[in-house]
Amino acid sequence: QQQVKQSPQSLIVQKGGISIINCAYENTAFDYFPWYQQFPGKGPALLIAIRPDVSEKKEGRFTISFNKSAKQFSLHIMDSQPGDSATYFCAASLYGQNFVFGPGTRLSVLP
Amino acid sequence: DSGVTQTPKHLITATGQRVTLRCSPRSGDLSVYWYQQSLDQGLQFLIQYYNGEERAKGNILERFSAQQFPDLHSELNLSSLELGDSALYFCASSVATGNTEAFFGQGTRLTVV
Repeated sequence: QQQVKQSPQSLIVQKGGISIINCAYENTAFDYFPWYQQFPGKGPALLIAIRPDVSEKKEGRFTISFNKSAKQFSLHIMDSQPGDSATYFCAASLYGQNFVFGPGTRLSVLP
Repeated sequence: DSGVTQTPKHLITATGQRVTLRCSPRSGDLSVYWYQQSLDQGLQFLIQYYNGEERAKGNILERFSAQQFPDLHSELNLSSLELGDSALYFCASSVATGNTEAFFGQGTRLTVV
């Protein structure tokens, strides 16, 4: 019940395209859903986060879509750039006490 | 720079040994989380401390222990090390224990030989 599933495992997108990463969770008590971006040799960095009372949140080129009934949420990266090439992790937490991470998606944006 | 400092950056040690990883949270953050990241397991939550007290426990082995000191820095102790303990160990901190942003340090890469 604590698991967060993430797909795809890897993604290749052309520059300017849209990158879409999907996550699904089981525990309906989760109440905070962040996305992290990690570059090689670095720690994960918070990209954007959403709470379940909101269906969509947009920050610049990054958008989270949240579907509470389906227990799914996704990250959309518009106008993808080579600098966006990184590993992306979705996560879910309960009262901020235990961040459960998805397995990650390795994104490559081709120039 | 997230403001979370982890030392050392790299650590190579032999099986059976004990090591201590250190984390200094961002100024003002009371909550500290420890994670293990390995190639086949992804990011695994180990343990969380809030203002010196253990708040949540994940898949932390009995050979591992942690503590948070009065100045809010935290240490993760790994003992009787095995080859399989080789991984990146991340510390993250947040202001409180509720749903607030967690900021990650650069990690400590542990290699057990």
